[in-house]
Amino acid sequence: EIVMTQSPGTLSVSPGERVTLSCRTSQSVRTNLVWYQHIPGQAPRLLIYGASTRATGLPARFSGSGSGTDFTLTISSLQSEDFAVYYCQQDNSWPYTFGQGTKLEIK
Amino acid sequence: QVQLQESGPGLVKPSETLSLICTVSRGSISSSSHYWAWIRQPPGKGLEWIGSINHSGSTYYNPSLQSRVSISADTSNNQFSLKLNSVTAADTAVYYCATYGDYFVFVYWGRGTLVTVSS
Repeated sequence: EIVMTQSPGTLSVSPGERVTLSCRTSQSVRTNLVWYQHIPGQAPRLLIYGASTRATGLPARFSGSGSGTDFTLTISSLQSEDFAVYYCQQDNSWPYTFGQGTKLEIK
Repeated sequence: QVQLQESGPGLVKPSETLSLICTVSRGSISSSSHYWAWIRQPPGKGLEWIGSINHSGSTYYNPSLQSRVSISADTSNNQFSLKLNSVTAADTAVYYCATYGDYFVFVYWGRGTLVTVSS
């Protein structure tokens, strides 16, 4: 089973800042990496798939990059609605696994 | 867009069976282009895929839970269900239902339901 490691666990940032979240996999997943956003009490939301393809309707301030074992999700200018927990998931090897999440909180 | 809603008891006793239903709207579980899945998140931990079912009733389970889990579909009510038997406190979690297509990318999710295992 592929182990997903996200860092940091929590990130305190101010609106308007640029943030980069990291996801590492225990073995190569090529570009089969997905990012989700979860605001507590709401359904998780698909953000990025294929490591860098934005989901329909996702604002351009969100971008994903990486391949192999190292991936990043970048939010270029944080908006108030972006404070949430972000999860990565690999869809390369069965069973498909998730990271522990990175929480973005308001500084 | 497809909408999913989880329902079921919020409290289950140890050794008993956890049963949840996911009701699908604005989409059909008979669709050949969708798979229907259960995912859970224990308190303070990450997400874990439990298993999936497709339009023909084929099921796929996480090896870590395979011996205790069963997923089935009720096409007449556009629902699919989860049964997890012999539960322990470690099965306490928020349980989500979700859907994906050809790739294991969960496009739509429910809001989740908390199930606590306690006597």
